[in-house]
Parts: sequence; C-alpha cells; structure tokens
Amino acid sequence: QVTLKESGPALVKPTQTLTLTCIFSGFSLNTRGMRLSWIRQPPGKALEWLARIDWDGHKFYSTSLKSRLTISKDTAKNQVVLTVTNMDPVDTATYYCARSLTISGDYFDYWGQGTLVTVSS
Amino acid sequence: EVVLTQSPATLSLSPGERATLSCRASQSVSSYLAWYQQKPGQGPRLLIYDASNRATGIPARFSGSGSGTDFTLTISSLEPEDFAVYYCQQRNDWYTFGQGTKLQI
Repeated sequence: QVTLKESGPALVKPTQTLTLTCIFSGFSLNTRGMRLSWIRQPPGKALEWLARIDWDGHKFYSTSLKSRLTISKDTAKNQVVLTVTNMDPVDTATYYCARSLTISGDYFDYWGQGTLVTVSS
Repeated sequence: EVVLTQSPATLSLSPGERATLSCRASQSVSSYLAWYQQKPGQGPRLLIYDASNRATGIPARFSGSGSGTDFTLTISSLEPEDFAVYYCQQRNDWYTFGQGTKLQI
C-alpha cells in the first residue's frame, strides 16, 4: 500500500525558511523510474508544481521559484525534504508531495493529504 | 509555460446526469494530459492519464478524450460521490494545472 504524508510547521514568519518533510511507504525511491514531487495549492487557487527529485538523484525546480527551493532525499528513511527560503504571505498554501513513475507516464498517481502552511507575522 | 484553461468554473448538475468538463491548452500538449478529482481536505486523485486512459480502480463512468489543445472529461451518469473539484494537468512541458471546475449538486 502506497502512502505519503507531509509534515512541517503550520505557521512561519515572513523571511523565514520553511522545511517540509514527506515520509512515504509502499515504494522505494531507489527504484528506477521513481519520482517524487512537491506541489502546492494556495487557498481557493490552482495547483502549482514546485520541485521534483528522481530515483537517480536528479533534481528539478519550478523556474519561477528555483532560487528559493531545495529538494533532497534520504532513501534509507523513505523521506524527501523541501526547503523554501525567504517565505512571504503569498506562499501561504497547502503543500503536497506526490509520486510519479516514468513507466506509467509520469503522472501523479499517489498524493499525500497535504499540510497547510500559513505565512504571517 | 503551458496555460490550461478549464470551463466552466462551476457546473451544477444532479445525480444521474451527464457531466462534460473542458480543458484547453495554450499550446499543443499532444496527449500528455491528465484529470484529477479533489475532495475537501484530500489530495487529488488521478482519474485519467494520457488524455483517455483510466487510472487503476477508476469507474468506467469516467472517460477522457481529446488531443493537442482541447480535452474533455465526461462523467456519464453522476453518482453522489462525484461532486468535487476536477483539475486537468499537462506534462508535455514540465507540469502545469488548470484552475479547476467545481462540480456541485
């Protein structure tokens, strides 16, 4: 059974750095073709892809946010971490981690329930 | 960036009726388009991938069609659990999502 769960602070102050953790089970990020992405959704707005890390360690970022994002993985712990620097109120959103597989079209077939992060002083 | 425009923003129907949701891309995405269903407090659920293929476990009442820039999600006969928000997503040029269609009773 594939599961993903996001965790992190519910509230951060402007200019602070946000660190989010995705803990997953039911698959290995060492498996060829496996990918894990972070996606966010501001309240009442559309989904926005942020970053992706692949089974081989390659990392990819949204062009608009690239300078503020870092994604990493700890395969032994089945964890992927996203950091977002210089947080701003516009970054208030529910942050999701989601899995995709190259062999099945690279669509997001499993998602976590999301974690709401509010940016406010 | 590929912009996906979904219409209508809100669709009001009754159980048993047919729902037709549209997604238009600002440039061709070939058939690299997916549809997701999202309910309050949950992550999205993959329904359709590569424009017309149902994901594992998705009922046959859900179908997708289209290619290039125009895509459609059809729910042939609405069940009570189908009332949710639906998003399209393309993967031809990185990943972008539409703004969603809310399907309400």
